Amino acid sequence: GQNIDQPTEMTATEGAIVQINCTYQTSGFNGLFWYQQHAGEAPTFLSYNVLDGLEEKGRFSSFLSRSKGYSYLLLKELQMKDSASYLCAVRDLTAAGNKLTFGGGTRVLVKP
Amino acid sequence: KAGVTQTPRYLIKTRGQQVTLSCSPISGHRSVSWYQQTPGQGLQFLFEYFSETQRNKGNFPGRFSGRQFSNSRSEMNVSTLELGDSALYLCASSSGAGNSYEQYFGPGTRLTVT
Repeated sequence: GQNIDQPTEMTATEGAIVQINCTYQTSGFNGLFWYQQHAGEAPTFLSYNVLDGLEEKGRFSSFLSRSKGYSYLLLKELQMKDSASYLCAVRDLTAAGNKLTFGGGTRVLVKP
Repeated sequence: KAGVTQTPRYLIKTRGQQVTLSCSPISGHRSVSWYQQTPGQGLQFLFEYFSETQRNKGNFPGRFSGRQFSNSRSEMNVSTLELGDSALYLCASSSGAGNSYEQYFGPGTRLTVT
């Protein structure tokens, strides 16, 4: 099975940087995903890592270390609209297709 | 290209009843996954359908079932509803081909069981 941990809540100031950590323990690993979910809305895809290293996409970057079972999502130049929940999810290696296990989500509050 | 659509958006049912939720994926997508989201348990995987076949299954009781039609539209059914089934039910579509990874979520169906 899968076990995924991420902090429940984080607060940061507009313009700052926030790093959301995610640790996982899996019986098989086939990629790690980050999703953003605003209150009352559906999750939207942010990033996907399957190999070790850093993936950068604009203000958002995601890092993966498979040997450590660790990932982080880095949000730079925070904007008020970045206030949302950020979900870490792992795809099961043993299953073809899309069987994702999600962490509980990290609620990020951006203050002026 | 139209996004993922789910109907109905809101639903109120009574304990013991059954409910059917519908999901229409993005045109050309063949994979539809269903998730349950609650404040206490977060987002939990229910099942995935690909080309009318259930490809993956989560750890939910048999009261939760689904199917997929030849046009890739999918339905999920919950029988003998319990209060704990109150949740946001999300479906997500992807092309399902190879190791494709990006899933697009629909707006969800908010189910309240009283």
